[in-house]
Amino acid sequence: QSALTQPASVSGSPGQSITISCTGTSSDLGAYNYVSWYQQHPGKAPKLLIFDVRDRPSGVSARFSGSKSGNTASLTISGLQAEDEADYYCASYSSSSTLVVFGGGTKLTVL
Amino acid sequence: QLQLQESGSGLVKPSQTLSLTCAVSGDSISSGAYSWSWIRQPPGRGLEWIGYIYHSVTTYYNPSLKSRVTISVDRSRNQFSLKMKSVTAADTAVYYCARVHGSGPRWFDPWGQGTLVTVSS
Repeated sequence: QSALTQPASVSGSPGQSITISCTGTSSDLGAYNYVSWYQQHPGKAPKLLIFDVRDRPSGVSARFSGSKSGNTASLTISGLQAEDEADYYCASYSSSSTLVVFGGGTKLTVL
Repeated sequence: QLQLQESGSGLVKPSQTLSLTCAVSGDSISSGAYSWSWIRQPPGRGLEWIGYIYHSVTTYYNPSLKSRVTISVDRSRNQFSLKMKSVTAADTAVYYCARVHGSGPRWFDPWGQGTLVTVSS
């Protein structure tokens, strides 16, 4: 069981927007703005999409955006494209002894 | 451009030691500007953070793995390594190395391509 809770799957049609939630606790996601999001295509390594809740690395499309409210962080993908179909993981720094916690991952299907 | 490449034993027998290396190109581990981490992913499952090393000598491990894991740096070869002893089938996973940003750590980027380690007799 992962420390952060994500929906197992979400889906959307091309051009639509979808949001993936990531719920933690007051020891991790709720206490720190150290939330990151990763995209993983089948058989590939995870790729950083968002860091520090809402910042995008250079080269990542502006269609990807992050936010946080309380103990829940969210990743929004706007203007869905076929190549967005992948698994998405959230992660957070934690004050617990684990230090870094990941979500269980969300499979995005583009219909 | 920073690149990381994992290598090591792809098949390990139960109770033996898993050994992996991450070669770093495009940056010097010795600079101390970043920390370096290992993360794994069992087949069909999510990501699990293993641990990281910073300042080339200070380590921090996931408590669930701490008794079996060692991460170290080889400055002369610009690489860092993972050793995990007493492995079982539950340690079968794709193992990734990654650069750590921020003290914390805060995020991981980039990642190596990953290497599959299978624990089986």
